[in-house]
Amino acid sequence: EVQLLESGGGLVQPGGSLRLSCAASGFTFSNSAMSWVRQAPGKGLEWVSVISDSGGSTYYADSVKGRFTISRDYSRSTLYMQMSSLRVEDTAVYYCAKAISVAAHLYYFDYWGQGTLVTVSS
Amino acid sequence: DIVMTQSPDSLAVSLGERATINCKSSHSILYSSNNQNYLAWYQQKPGQPPKLLIYWASTRESGVPDRFSGSVSGTDFTLTISSLQAEDVAVYYCQQYYNIPLTFGGGTKVEIK
Repeated sequence: EVQLLESGGGLVQPGGSLRLSCAASGFTFSNSAMSWVRQAPGKGLEWVSVISDSGGSTYYADSVKGRFTISRDYSRSTLYMQMSSLRVEDTAVYYCAKAISVAAHLYYFDYWGQGTLVTVSS
Repeated sequence: DIVMTQSPDSLAVSLGERATINCKSSHSILYSSNNQNYLAWYQQKPGQPPKLLIYWASTRESGVPDRFSGSVSGTDFTLTISSLQAEDVAVYYCQQYYNIPLTFGGGTKVEIK
């Protein structure tokens, strides 16, 4: 059974930093691209970032480019998102998702974690 | 960026009746090389993460009931629930994976009338 367990969310002040983690199990982590998708309170889904199965390719939404960094640790089967220079508008539930790669940089998502809430507020 | 526009924002359907959700892409998301539309549909029940229902515009994910179906006409995509069940109450999202940034529609909330 595929399981994705996010952690690391919390309350942070504007301009602050936070690192999210997503522990993966039930599938071959090294063979799967992984992604972060967020959902602001009461709003729709917004794709944030994706990393290829090899880790050699990463892509970001313009809204987070230069502030967020996606990475993965194969020994721990864990996905990360380092978030810095956080803004109020980054407040959201952040979902970790297993991504199906249909071609270079093209993905849809077949499994999702339960999400972790990030609140950016003073 | 490819903009995905869903309609309606919400709809109320009687149990056992048909529910139809629309999604329109601002650009074609059809790859001529494989004649596939790069579109997925997700279901998000209250308090839960999204769940993949359909990919390639009309291919049901394993385990998804066959009352869910996807269709396409040009840049217009439709998710149909042929006979609404109580457990289908949710918000439904479309997503294009034709190019980066990957983009979602705004969602359609389905309720019981």
